[in-house]
Amino acid sequence: QKEVEQNSGPLSVPEGAIASLNCTYSDRGSQSFFWYRQYSGKSPELIMFIYSNGDKEDGRFTAQLNKASQYVSLLIRDSQPSDSATYLCAVWRGAQKLVFGQGTRLTINP
Amino acid sequence: EPEVTQTPSHQVTQMGQEVILRCVPISNHLYFYWYRQILGQKVEFLVSFYNNEISEKSEIFDDQFSVERPDGSNFTLKIRSTKLEDSAMYFCASSGQGAYGYTFGSGTRLTVV
Repeated sequence: QKEVEQNSGPLSVPEGAIASLNCTYSDRGSQSFFWYRQYSGKSPELIMFIYSNGDKEDGRFTAQLNKASQYVSLLIRDSQPSDSATYLCAVWRGAQKLVFGQGTRLTINP
Repeated sequence: EPEVTQTPSHQVTQMGQEVILRCVPISNHLYFYWYRQILGQKVEFLVSFYNNEISEKSEIFDDQFSVERPDGSNFTLKIRSTKLEDSAMYFCASSGQGAYGYTFGSGTRLTVV
């Protein structure tokens, strides 16, 4: 079982709609979870992180964490063409390392 | 906003040669990392470095690889005797305590021919 799993997509969403990205993780002891955005050929860029069960909102982005179900999601409201990228879910593990999922490719259609 | 700087942005090397990838972490950060991403694959952890020693390394980080902080600002990844399968994007990152300010550099694209 992969440590962090994401649907690789591509996920296609019309402009202005809500994009929903999902991630599951295998280690029940994981405490911290991160969402990164990566444009083609570029480095990962932190969108937000979440530690506690429930929702965390930052502008158009909402992260949701359900530790009982080992599930993290990212919602993007009012999707824009500039949101088209690969979204990486990452789990924080001991000694400071991040374990990444495969990433979900998101395309926003004008 | 503080940045992690990596040089060069692209390096081409012949199989069997040694390469050194360079990084300048954010100045007040304490933890330094290298990750790699083979084209079309996920970002993979290689090594973390704290207080002038390796904190953790992955299975990928074998004897072919080494890291060094030769002075107060640079953090380097050396790959000895490069192989074709070492071709990838290599990202340096740094952070403060915990995940605070975890920031990736822009990456070095290594091509082994």
